[in-house]
Amino acid sequence: AQSVTQPDIHITVSEGASLELRCNYSYGATPYLFWYVQSPGQGLQLLLKYFSGDTLVQGIKGFEAEFKRSQSSFNLRKPSVHWSDAAEYFCAVGDGFQKLVFGTGTRLLVSP
Amino acid sequence: NAGVTQTPKFQVLKTGQSMTLQCAQDMNHEYMSWYRQDPGMGLRLIHYSVGAGITDQGEVPNGYNVSRSTTEDFPLRLLSAAPSQTSVYFCASSRTGVDTGELFFGEGSRLTVL
Repeated sequence: AQSVTQPDIHITVSEGASLELRCNYSYGATPYLFWYVQSPGQGLQLLLKYFSGDTLVQGIKGFEAEFKRSQSSFNLRKPSVHWSDAAEYFCAVGDGFQKLVFGTGTRLLVSP
Repeated sequence: NAGVTQTPKFQVLKTGQSMTLQCAQDMNHEYMSWYRQDPGMGLRLIHYSVGAGITDQGEVPNGYNVSRSTTEDFPLRLLSAAPSQTSVYFCASSRTGVDTGELFFGEGSRLTVL
């Protein structure tokens, strides 16, 4: 069965510092991988996705993620965090882009 | 530019009451789905539909019914609400086919069952 682990429940980063959110997945074949962001009181918005090709994918808002098959990981990174990046981030896996299995989320706090 | 619209945004029910959460999308998406979001558990798939007249169960379907009579609408019915159904519910839709790549989410419906 597919599963996603986001080991960090909360992360606090200073504004301007770099960010890495961890995601590990369990899936038998080549997965479709996603990062979604949820601002307070809002639905989820797609940041980026991977399902083939270059293992380093670029997304919106300056985010990127790297697919590492050997580590079953798809970590999200940003070189310089802005206060507006404070939100909850969800990693998701699927055998397509629809019936996704989501991780439990990582809440990002940005300190001044 | 409405996207995915969910109503109501907030609802309080008593145990045993029934209600329907509405979801409508104006993007002509074939695929629609319902998730519930609970603290520490992420989002879990309840039911989904790949087109009008076609529905299927997700990970946590018990206690919920769905139907898909039109492309635009995908209501979620709670026949006899239980406190365990207290949650935030999200409707999501997408096109089908290769490389369409994105679920569009509504803003959520917060349900409390007393």
